[in-house]
Amino acid sequence: EPEVTQTPSHQVTQMGQEVILRCVPISNHLYFYWYRQILGQKVEFLVSFYNNEISEKSEIFDDQFSVERPDGSNFTLKIRSTKLEDSAMYFCASMPRTYEQYFGPGTRLTVT
Amino acid sequence: AQTVTQSQPEMSVQEAETVTLSCTYDTSESDYYLFWYKQPPSRQMILVIRQEAYKQQNATENRFSVNFQKAAKSFSLKISDSQLGDAAMYFCAYLDSNYQLIWGAGTKLIIKP
Repeated sequence: EPEVTQTPSHQVTQMGQEVILRCVPISNHLYFYWYRQILGQKVEFLVSFYNNEISEKSEIFDDQFSVERPDGSNFTLKIRSTKLEDSAMYFCASMPRTYEQYFGPGTRLTVT
Repeated sequence: AQTVTQSQPEMSVQEAETVTLSCTYDTSESDYYLFWYKQPPSRQMILVIRQEAYKQQNATENRFSVNFQKAAKSFSLKISDSQLGDAAMYFCAYLDSNYQLIWGAGTKLIIKP
């Protein structure tokens, strides 16, 4: 059964550094998402991507964040200058037309 | 804006018994989707069940079923014959008209052997 994959599973970085989180969505899906979950808190929407462009983004998704789908299979989230409060699990999800979002295993980002 | 509320931070149930997790939501939309996701200690987010608001029939997926009360904006999850592997955080989520999931705070389910 196809699944969403994410790499790395855990990323440790120093404050101020750039990180790129990678996702491979399910191939015939149309919508792609990034969510984050700070430990012990709710899951929060960051951004959605459809037809090769951002369709929606939350207030969290400021100029420090960007997304790309560089080659038709990968979907990346870049954080330009990480802050301590960016430490969280980051989930990628993809969705076909049936409105069920399928999640990857997550990348745990630790900013020190 | 839509909100999702899970009023039970933690629930426990004896193995093989039935447990119901509560979820309420607030929306002005008439057509939407609701979901329950399970998050085990691995933190993977796993889809458990979904409900389309336009369907009156409650969704069922093996031991998992929902009680969807549209007028009351309630969407509870019933787990029958609880198993040790059901222990996890359970999140209720609402898919809004922009196809974003709005999440509840989660309920931690403990299964007692």
